Amino acid sequence: GNSVTQMEGPVTLSEEAFLTINCTYTATGYPSLFWYVQYPGEGLQLLLKATKADDKGSNKGFEATYRKETTSFHLEKGSVQVSDSAVYFCALRPNFGNEKLTFGTGTRLTIIP
Amino acid sequence: DSGVTQTPKHLITATGQRVTLRCSPRSGDLSVYWYQQSLDQGLQFLIQYYNGEERAKGNILERFSAQQFPDLHSELNLSSLELGDSALYFCASSVGGAGGRNEQFFGPGTRLTVL
Repeated sequence: GNSVTQMEGPVTLSEEAFLTINCTYTATGYPSLFWYVQYPGEGLQLLLKATKADDKGSNKGFEATYRKETTSFHLEKGSVQVSDSAVYFCALRPNFGNEKLTFGTGTRLTIIP
Repeated sequence: DSGVTQTPKHLITATGQRVTLRCSPRSGDLSVYWYQQSLDQGLQFLIQYYNGEERAKGNILERFSAQQFPDLHSELNLSSLELGDSALYFCASSVGGAGGRNEQFFGPGTRLTVL
C-alpha cells in the first residue's frame, strides 16, 4: 500500500536558519504530493503541493520538489521565522482510485529567536 | 478559516458511551472526509462521502459509523468508546466529482477525550 516516511522530530532551529524536512514515499503510479502545516490549536492547512514529477511547489518561502527518481518531496525554507513554528505533515494522494490522503507522522518545528 | 466547521470543539466522555461529531463542509463542496489524529496512529483516513453516498473507507472501526445528509453536512458516530479512541477528529471537504482531484480543506477538529 501507499506510505509516507517523514523525518523524525522535533526539530529546533534558530531564526533565519535554513530548514530541511525530509519526506520519502512509497506508492504505485504517480501520486500527488503535499505538505500540510498545523499551527497550535488549529486544523491542517495546505502549505504546498506538486502533482507530477519535477514539479516544484512553493508558498510563503517554503519549497518542495517532486523527485520521482528518489521518491522524495523534501520541504525547504531558506530563512525560518518564529512564526513558522508548527507541525509539518507530508502527504500523498493517488491520482487514480480513491482520493484519501496518506500522511507521514509529522515533524514538530520550533524556531527560537 | 477554511470554511469547514466542526462541532463540538471538545468532547469529554466515559468509556462505553456514544458520541456524535458534526461537520459542515465548505459551501459548494460535495465530498466530506473524516480523519483521526492520535498519538500512536498518527493521522489516518477513516471514511469519505460524496453527495450522500459512501465513496471510500479506510481504517474505520466497526464501532464507528458516518453519514452525509441531504444538506451535505456529515456526522461521525462513535460508540462503545474505549480509552484508545481519544484523539483529534478532523473533517475535510472538497468539491469532489467524477475524476476530480480537488484540494481537501480541513476543519479545526474535534478533540475527543475518553475517561
